Amino acid sequence: AQSVTQLDSQVPVFEEAPVELRCNYSSSVSVYLFWYVQYPNQGLQLLLKYLSGSTLVKGINGFEAEFNKSQTSFHLRKPSVHISDTAEYFCAVTEGQAAGNKLTFGGGTRVLVKP
Amino acid sequence: EPEVTQTPSHQVTQMGQEVILRCVPISNHLYFYWYRQILGQKVEFLVSFYNNEISEKSEIFDDQFSVERPDGSNFTLKIRSTKLEDSAMYFCASRGEGDAFYGYTFGSGTRLTVV
Repeated sequence: AQSVTQLDSQVPVFEEAPVELRCNYSSSVSVYLFWYVQYPNQGLQLLLKYLSGSTLVKGINGFEAEFNKSQTSFHLRKPSVHISDTAEYFCAVTEGQAAGNKLTFGGGTRVLVKP
Repeated sequence: EPEVTQTPSHQVTQMGQEVILRCVPISNHLYFYWYRQILGQKVEFLVSFYNNEISEKSEIFDDQFSVERPDGSNFTLKIRSTKLEDSAMYFCASRGEGDAFYGYTFGSGTRLTVV
């Protein structure tokens, strides 16, 4: 069964500093990987996704992630954060497009950007 | 950009009452999902729905829960007799397949408060 581990529950970071959010997954088959962002009191917004092809994926708001199959990781990075990046970030995995293939989420990483 | 629409945004109900949460998925999507997020916790899978039947359900989705696609556009989640522990944010999601698979699109959620 698929599972996702986000190693950091909270990441404090200063404005304009870089940030990396770690995500490791477990699956016995090929996967599709996603990062979602949840701003306070809002829903889930897709940041970026890896479906196939280039392992470096660029998303919205200056975020990027790298898929590493050998390390079963999909870490999220941003070279310079803004106050507005304060949010919770969820890594998620699915094992394909077959009927019933659900998205499984990690526990989330809360990013607090300090001035 | 196509959206998943959920109504109401917030619902307060008394314990033991029935509630129906409504969702309008993206029109050409074929797979539909309900997730929930208890305050401060991870996003949990409830149920997936395809071709007018449940594809998969989690342990959370017991006999008190049901889903329906009554008219080809709406997708509803019914909780027959609400409990205090059903208080959570409920998210609807939909996705396409093949060339239409761009990932899972989530609605903004319905915050259910059981008192």
